[in-house]
Amino acid sequence: KQEVTQIPAALSVPEGENLVLNCSFTDSAIYNLQWFRQDPGKGLTSLLLIQSSQREQTSGRLNASLDKSSGRSTLYIAASQPGDSATYLCAVPPYGANNLFFGTGTRLTVIP
Amino acid sequence: DGGITQSPKYLFRKEGQNVTLSCEQNLNHDAMYWYRQDPGQGLRLIYYSQIVNDFQKGDIAEGYSVSREKKESFPLTVTSAQKNPTAFYLCASSLTTGLAGNEQFFGPGTRLTVL
Repeated sequence: KQEVTQIPAALSVPEGENLVLNCSFTDSAIYNLQWFRQDPGKGLTSLLLIQSSQREQTSGRLNASLDKSSGRSTLYIAASQPGDSATYLCAVPPYGANNLFFGTGTRLTVIP
Repeated sequence: DGGITQSPKYLFRKEGQNVTLSCEQNLNHDAMYWYRQDPGQGLRLIYYSQIVNDFQKGDIAEGYSVSREKKESFPLTVTSAQKNPTAFYLCASSLTTGLAGNEQFFGPGTRLTVL
């Protein structure tokens, strides 16, 4: 069964710093990988979707990379802002499955 | 304004009571999903539906039931058989569940508390 791990569980950085969030998964047979943001008590907001044939995807200050063979993805956030404070989740839909397997998330705090 | 709506935002259930959580989408998506989120755990799939009048159990379906009578609606009933229903419930939808990959979009969630 697919297992998704996110390390670290929590991260605090000063405003303006560039940072990297990590996601690893055990089964490399995936359609794609999706990164989400969740604010406290809210639903999930989709940030980036990387197809299995892609290496990376960019949206504004966010850049996500995918290395299927090693079972890893990273989310790079440039010039962090206090508004980036949230929990970031990664998720993968394995081949043959119609749902997402989620990591437990990284809780990010950007200190002004 | 397209999106997914869930209601109510907060729900309280007494012991032995069934409650129904609403999920509506106007994105014209074929597939809809229900996930449960508990502190310190990743989201877990309860049920999903690929098309009207069809649905399948997820990893933790026991004590829950669903229906899919309309494309835009996928209500979840938490029955008295669910022994630990206190959690945050999230509904999602995607255009298709085909091999091309399915970006999922989520609603704002319903927090259910057992009194």
